[in-house]
Amino acid sequence: SAVISQKPSRDICQRGTSLTIQCQVDSQVTMMFWYRQQPGQSLTLIATANQGSEATYESGFVIDKFPISRPNLTFSTLTVSNMSPEDSSIYLCSVERVQGGEQYFGPGTRLTVT
Amino acid sequence: GDSVTQMEGPVTLSEEAFLTINCTYTATGYPSLFWYVQYPGEGLQLLLKATKADDKGSNKGFEATYRKETTSFHLEKGSVQVSDSAVYFCALSNNAGNMLTFGGGTRLMVKP
Repeated sequence: SAVISQKPSRDICQRGTSLTIQCQVDSQVTMMFWYRQQPGQSLTLIATANQGSEATYESGFVIDKFPISRPNLTFSTLTVSNMSPEDSSIYLCSVERVQGGEQYFGPGTRLTVT
Repeated sequence: GDSVTQMEGPVTLSEEAFLTINCTYTATGYPSLFWYVQYPGEGLQLLLKATKADDKGSNKGFEATYRKETTSFHLEKGSVQVSDSAVYFCALSNNAGNMLTFGGGTRLMVKP
């Protein structure tokens, strides 16, 4: 398994502002993923972040809205830009240790936009 | 594209009842299949997995068998406990893409 931490654990933000979420892993991993879980919903993949390359975004998500950094093999950030109430969700990062294998999730960041 | 369909919840059971949560999938290739559990206020935890047809994943009294002929991966437990109350997500990983595709989640409520 992997130990994954996220900061902040929760935040309440005003519309129009931006929030950067940090994800730290206890060991080096190649692939990191960012998911969104809207209230009462399942998880939707936002993007895949590999170290040393641009993040790959899923349909419906764009870099201007959700810029991602991956400066090294243990760390990544996701920024939620120009927030609106529709961005209120839990944002989770995950890592995969074995290609095609299971992913391990961080505890999530609960974001509320007012 | 790949997709996962789970039975809708909530599922409400009495303690020691038998649990089945249905999961079926659509995917190209030969995906790996997973069950994740999300306890109230917590993140997702991997519950069990199966990587090829006829594999049975098991953990904490839960089990699921990878049925390629019916494209299913139903979660079962013989005797549920109050502490099993959580949301359960079925998911698949298609080796070609590495991403996880999740089902909609099924909330389980176990009453004493």
